[in-house]
Amino acid sequence: AQSVTQLDSHVSVSEGTPVLLRCNYSSSYSPSLFWYVQHPNKGLQLLLKYTSAATLVKGINGFEAEFKKSETSFHLTKPSAHMSDAAEYFCVVIDRSGGSNYKLTFGKGTLLTVNP
Amino acid sequence: SQTIHQWPATLVQPVGSPLSLECTVEGTSNPNLYWYRQAAGRGLQLLFYSVGIGQISSEVPQNLSASRPQDRQFILSSKKLLLSDSGFYLCARGDRGTYEQYFGPGTRLTVT
Repeated sequence: AQSVTQLDSHVSVSEGTPVLLRCNYSSSYSPSLFWYVQHPNKGLQLLLKYTSAATLVKGINGFEAEFKKSETSFHLTKPSAHMSDAAEYFCVVIDRSGGSNYKLTFGKGTLLTVNP
Repeated sequence: SQTIHQWPATLVQPVGSPLSLECTVEGTSNPNLYWYRQAAGRGLQLLFYSVGIGQISSEVPQNLSASRPQDRQFILSSKKLLLSDSGFYLCARGDRGTYEQYFGPGTRLTVT
């Protein structure tokens, strides 16, 4: 079975400072992992994904994440926060045990607040 | 195009009334389709998924149902709404090759 733990429900940073959103996963298979972002009352947008290629994954809007198998982690980072980054972020692990009937397991989300 | 349409965007319904939310998708044929519910402070809950016309899998027993009458149409229904059905409902399509899911804009349902 797959599971995802987002270690912080809320992270607050100042504009221009680094962002770190933490995610740990559990998977019976070689995992595929995603980060999604959701702005208020909007759908989710894919930020980046890891699918067993390079362990450092670059996404949109300057975000990146590093897959660390030994730590079962997939933390999301950005060197310098922008006001527009304020949103909720979801770490996701893919359950591929059903083959083409795959399912996503979502973390509970981390709300990022960016202060001016 | 991976565009996903959901309507209505917002809905206020009394307890005990019926529900029908519609999702249509553009792009390649025979997509995997998903309904999620997002309640305040509870993350995303997978409700139903479909791998083809007429094929529905339910993840959570409840008073909701789903149907897929056409390849690119996915409908979420209820005969009698409960207060606990309030939430933000998201439709998604999945890419079988990349495992990515693309989400619609959502429907905000308030049951009063």
